[in-house]
Amino acid sequence: KQEVTQIPAALSVPEGENLVLNCSFTDSAIYNLQWFRQDPGKGLTSLLLIQSSQREQTSGRLNASLDKSSGRSTLYIAASQPGDSATYLCAGPSGGGSEKLVFGKGTKLTVNP
Amino acid sequence: GAGVSQSPSNKVTEKGKDVELRCDPISGHTALYWYRQSLGQGLEFLIYFQGNSAPDKSGLPSDRFSAERTGGSVSTLTIQRTQQEDSAVYLCASSPAGRKRGGTQYFGPGTRLTVL
Repeated sequence: KQEVTQIPAALSVPEGENLVLNCSFTDSAIYNLQWFRQDPGKGLTSLLLIQSSQREQTSGRLNASLDKSSGRSTLYIAASQPGDSATYLCAGPSGGGSEKLVFGKGTKLTVNP
Repeated sequence: GAGVSQSPSNKVTEKGKDVELRCDPISGHTALYWYRQSLGQGLEFLIYFQGNSAPDKSGLPSDRFSAERTGGSVSTLTIQRTQQEDSAVYLCASSPAGRKRGGTQYFGPGTRLTVL
């Protein structure tokens, strides 16, 4: 059974700092892993989707990596801005080829101006 | 273009009543997912529809929960005899393809359900 863990649960940084959010998963037989952003009272916005054949994906100031052998993924945010403040969630398939997604509980990021 | 929409945005009901939550996916998206987000519990998968295939209902927590997707488009999640533990935000997502084919999921704003 897939379990997804995110550390830390909350993170507060000053504006401009580079930061890394961590995600670990127990079932390494994943076909992809996805990072989302959730703003208070709103739905999720997909940030990056990494296929199992890829090691990383980049979008603007965001870079996500995937290491299946170690069961880890990281989301790197460069030059953080106050507008990056949100909860970041990672999710992977539950296993067995299922479409069912298992989410971590998220990291709440606060970027202070 | 229009994103995923959900209605109502908020629903307050009394314990024991039935509720229906609606999801309008992005036009042309073949995959549709329902999730539940409870305070302190994180996001929980409920059900997945893909085209005309039988839905994956493995995440539904009890037989009080059911969902339909009519004409491969609009979906309705029904909760019968609501209980206080059903209180949560119910999120719908759609995708142009299943995740195994690299389909990114696009989420609606959610319906906040409160059972008194």
